Amino acid sequence: AQSVTQPDIHITVSEGASLELRCNYSYGATPYLFWYVQSPGQGLQLLLKYFSGDTLVQGIKGFEAEFKRSQSSFNLRKPSVHWSDAAEYFCAVSFGNEKLTFGTGTRLTIIP
Amino acid sequence: GAVVSQHPSWVICKSGTSVKIECRSLDFQATTMFWYRQFPKQSLMLMATSNEGSKATYEQGVEKDKFLINHASLTLSTLTVTSAHPEDSSFYICSAPPAGIDEQFFGPGTRLTVL
Repeated sequence: AQSVTQPDIHITVSEGASLELRCNYSYGATPYLFWYVQSPGQGLQLLLKYFSGDTLVQGIKGFEAEFKRSQSSFNLRKPSVHWSDAAEYFCAVSFGNEKLTFGTGTRLTIIP
Repeated sequence: GAVVSQHPSWVICKSGTSVKIECRSLDFQATTMFWYRQFPKQSLMLMATSNEGSKATYEQGVEKDKFLINHASLTLSTLTVTSAHPEDSSFYICSAPPAGIDEQFFGPGTRLTVL
C-alpha cells in the first residue's frame, strides 16, 4: 500500500546535540518529498523539499535532508538543535501539485 | 512568498449549529485548494479537494453533506461544517498551490470546538 512512515513517534534530544528524524515512503514512483514543522496550535511551515537533482537538500533553520532512493528514505537532520526546535515534524509526499499525504509525525522534545 | 489566510482562527459553537471557515489565497490565484483536518496529537488528514468552478472531491469516509465546500472564486474556498457535533471538534487547515508551482502553501488553521 502507498504510505509515508515516520517510525519515531517521539524523540528527545539534548540541546546542542545532533538530530535525525526518519521518513520512509512506499510508492511505485518517486514522489515529491517535503518536511514540515508545526508548533503547538500553529499551521505548517515548510522546512525543505526535494523534487529532483542533488540528493542532499538544505532547508531553513539549519535543517537538511538526504534523499536515498535505494532506501526509499528522506531523513531530516540538524547538526545542533536549539530549544526552539521543539515541535512536531511531518514528512509529506505528493505528485506534482496534487494533494499531500502526511506521515504520522514525530514530536521533538529538547532537554537543557 | 505565497500567503494563505484562514478565518476565523478559532471558533466555538453549540452542537447542531453550522460553522463556516474561509480560506483565502492573498497574493496568488488558486484553482485548487485542499482542506485537511487534524485531531489532537495526530497527523493531517486530507478531507477534500476544492476546485474552482466545479464540485469538490471528497476523500473516502468524509461526509459530503456534512462538510460543504464551495470554491467561490480563484482566491476563496469555504468549508461549512453543518449540524456540528462535538466529534467535529478539530483543527482545520487549508492549503493551496500557486499555478505552475509544485508546492502547497498552508493557512494558519482554524480551531473548531463544538460544545
